[in-house]
Amino acid sequence: GAGVSQTPSNKVTEKGKYVELRCDPISGHTALYWYRQSLGQGPEFLIYFQGTGAADDSGLPNDRFFAVRPEGSVSTLKIQRTERGDSAVYLCASSLDKFQRSDYEQYFGPGTRLTVT
Amino acid sequence: AQSVTQLDSHVSVSEGTPVLLRCNYSSSYSPSLFWYVQHPNKGLQLLLKYTSAATLVKGINGFEAEFKKSETSFHLTKPSAHMSDAAEYFCVVSRPTNAGGTSYGKLTFGQGTILTVHP
Repeated sequence: GAGVSQTPSNKVTEKGKYVELRCDPISGHTALYWYRQSLGQGPEFLIYFQGTGAADDSGLPNDRFFAVRPEGSVSTLKIQRTERGDSAVYLCASSLDKFQRSDYEQYFGPGTRLTVT
Repeated sequence: AQSVTQLDSHVSVSEGTPVLLRCNYSSSYSPSLFWYVQHPNKGLQLLLKYTSAATLVKGINGFEAEFKKSETSFHLTKPSAHMSDAAEYFCVVSRPTNAGGTSYGKLTFGQGTILTVHP
């Protein structure tokens, strides 16, 4: 079956611009996560959705970052006034977790590589 | 708070020899622990997970890991390396389901270990 997909695969933008990154989770997965992976680092948690609501947004670095999941499926990560330090690979993952358990497998997408010039 | 330390940023082995990738964790609770692999230009894939059942966990592609609470370690091993094992490996910790709070499923990744396999 189809896995997690993310679009675009690559995005180059100028400093100060607004960008949107899209994630299509596996059908039927209620839990969705965003992570950010900087060069040479492991992924870092940004935000977790259970259905339509953001259950944990403690990883968002500042108020320039915002994510939505209006219908409980597709999610969009939005970054305003981009800065060069935002350059990274943004990963999306989904899981079947309906009970906020920690041991459900998260299935990752290929990521969106964001470059801010 | 929880954290993960991968003790080697790079490991190089010859094909057919054993693989050992080391990981130590810190957690306020008995954690769930995972190993993920990331091949170039591909998404992260789960190799195996420990969730307080058997301490020796077997995963895909011949990998296994042993949870040692006394040493706070979760090292990944494979008896015989294949060329296809060359990738980056991440040790990951997550809070257990009975920990309280709302951070369930929030994964904390180590820095990663790049495995190179020589012919």
